[in-house]
Amino acid sequence: DGGITQSPKYLFRKEGQNVTLSCEQNLNHDAMYWYRQDPGQGLRLIYYSQIVNDFQKGDIAEGYSVSREKKESFPLTVTSAQKNPTAFYLCASSIVNSYNQPQHFGDGTRLSIL
Amino acid sequence: AQSVTQLGSHVSVSEGALVLLRCNYSSSVPPYLFWYVQYPNQGLQLLLKYTSAATLVKGINGFEAEFKKSETSFHLTKPSAHMSDAAEYFCAVSPQDTGFQKLVFGTGTRLLVSP
Repeated sequence: DGGITQSPKYLFRKEGQNVTLSCEQNLNHDAMYWYRQDPGQGLRLIYYSQIVNDFQKGDIAEGYSVSREKKESFPLTVTSAQKNPTAFYLCASSIVNSYNQPQHFGDGTRLSIL
Repeated sequence: AQSVTQLGSHVSVSEGALVLLRCNYSSSVPPYLFWYVQYPNQGLQLLLKYTSAATLVKGINGFEAEFKKSETSFHLTKPSAHMSDAAEYFCAVSPQDTGFQKLVFGTGTRLLVSP
């Protein structure tokens, strides 16, 4: 079955450390997204990519970085510059530029501070 | 900017009772609208979507939603709640003027179902 795989499910970060969250999809979607979810705040867009080797900042990109070297993969790095990284991170994908098509989500990675 | 308001961060119902989760959007042009459900420690699963084909939209698990342009609303309903419906529900809008498919989410409503 096609879908989105996020790993790891749980991740712990030490002070001053960068950590990378993996997101892989086999839906053949061109567009991919990263969201951050905090209790009571819904989902906020961190980065998105509509094509390989291109990505754009979302609403809360500070302290994060991404790459899009392959269509299937869109890893997110939480850098030491992100002072409040504890959250649930969700990756999604969709058909590009199709506003009436839904985004498909992975099962998320929960990041905590050690 | 487009926004979505979900009234009530928590809604409690008894098993078998009507479920009503409210969603209002702000937009000068009717957007595309989605309802997603999230079970604990999982991603979001699409329940249904409004794409202007019909104002009453039926989704999975017996849920439906009605688009009312005059009220800028897209409330989610289910005639009879099951224990398995306990989850968090998100309404989202897809504006058509952002250059990419940007989903703007509401803050979510947690549905509690008691026996």
